[in-house]
Amino acid sequence: GAVVSQHPSWVICKSGTSVKIECRSLDFQATTMFWYRQFPKQSLMLMATSNEGSKATYEQGVEKDKFLINHASLTLSTLTVTSAHPEDSSFYICSARGSGTGQFFGPGTRLTVL
Amino acid sequence: EDQVTQSPEALRLQEGESSSLNCSYTVSGLRGLFWYRQDPGKGPEFLFTLYSAGEEKEKERLKATLTKKESFLHITAPKPEDSATYLCAVKSGGSQGNLIFGKGTKLSVKP
Repeated sequence: GAVVSQHPSWVICKSGTSVKIECRSLDFQATTMFWYRQFPKQSLMLMATSNEGSKATYEQGVEKDKFLINHASLTLSTLTVTSAHPEDSSFYICSARGSGTGQFFGPGTRLTVL
Repeated sequence: EDQVTQSPEALRLQEGESSSLNCSYTVSGLRGLFWYRQDPGKGPEFLFTLYSAGEEKEKERLKATLTKKESFLHITAPKPEDSATYLCAVKSGGSQGNLIFGKGTKLSVKP
């Protein structure tokens, strides 16, 4: 199956700082990338969907100014959590879909905000 | 509103003890039902996609089936390495192509 990577796999930061998470499709071109958040024992919740070269579409309740998404190329999307607070601590997972391919998930990034 | 409910929340089996996981859904026009496996601290790993009632797919000890209201993931003679959380997701005509996930079933297989 197709491979999606995320970096970093985990990050610890101080409250008020910004954190950038990268998501790459390694062996296919991702026309659409998705960002999910997963709290312990909860389901994956879609945060936003982005198409290459376009602005991301955010789900209801997700602050677009806090969670900045950039999908600058067909293999790379980034999620920047700005001015992170402890309540932003979560497991962030990206997913990528190409034309004619299924949706494949990255390994996730564990964010801990102190 | 599209909804996905998985049961049980957790399942403990002895090695070799076969069982089934359930995924019930209500959607406006099913465009696909997906099963994923998720290990702790990892992203979901794709297992199966089912598109229409009556469809079945198999992979090693796993078999997924689909009806108009639910899907089952049957696990035959499970091994400890099958321990994981199994997620069900649906894509509907009303979800703009996005996947809607259930909360998952945490499976533990004891040797």
